Amino acid sequence: DQQVKQNSPSLSVQEGRISILNCDYTNSMFDYFLWYKKYPAEGPTFLISISSIKDKNEDGRFTVFLNKSAKHLSLHIVPSQPGDSAVYFCAASAYADKLIFGTGTRLQVFP
Amino acid sequence: ETGVTQTPRHLVMGMTNKKSLKCEQHLGHNAMYWYKQSAKKPLELMFVYSLEERVENNSVPSRFSPECPNSSHLFLHLHTLQPEDSALYLCASSQEGTASYEQYFGPGTRLTVT
Repeated sequence: DQQVKQNSPSLSVQEGRISILNCDYTNSMFDYFLWYKKYPAEGPTFLISISSIKDKNEDGRFTVFLNKSAKHLSLHIVPSQPGDSAVYFCAASAYADKLIFGTGTRLQVFP
Repeated sequence: ETGVTQTPRHLVMGMTNKKSLKCEQHLGHNAMYWYKQSAKKPLELMFVYSLEERVENNSVPSRFSPECPNSSHLFLHLHTLQPEDSALYLCASSQEGTASYEQYFGPGTRLTVT
């Protein structure tokens, strides 16, 4: 049973517009959530995170929103750039235990 | 060298071969991990080493054997693998005991078992 789900395997967005990547989780014990970005032939790189005590965290063009009641988080990228084209993984952890990853969403930003 | 490095980047091996994957971290971290990434599946945690001791083994078959000789190096020894073991194997490191849950990944080894 997947505890972290990314139901959209792919997303295509025009340059300059907003990209919204979604992630759902089932384990209410998760207290920390992370987004990773992965380019082909590279390992995942940390992008942004959020603690369960917050509902929003912003870092430049990237904002993560957390809705604990819905067990849902989202990553907003605005404005989207072609260099943002990559696979994005959502991950969650409970009390500093191991990270549980989603299956990833492939984002393509076209001109 | 900076970050987390992995060698080799690509490996093709037969089912009767024995090979090893190597990971090295240059971040001063005290925990290291092996993950397996198969197509259309989440990253699967295989092994965790904290302070050079194995703290987690996620029911991984014995044909995968990890080794952590020191806090900077991690190996994954492979023998008598199956074609379904073909995947991207990722190494990661982190600093336990801090508020950060972030793990830093290497580029991975693309393994093909023939």
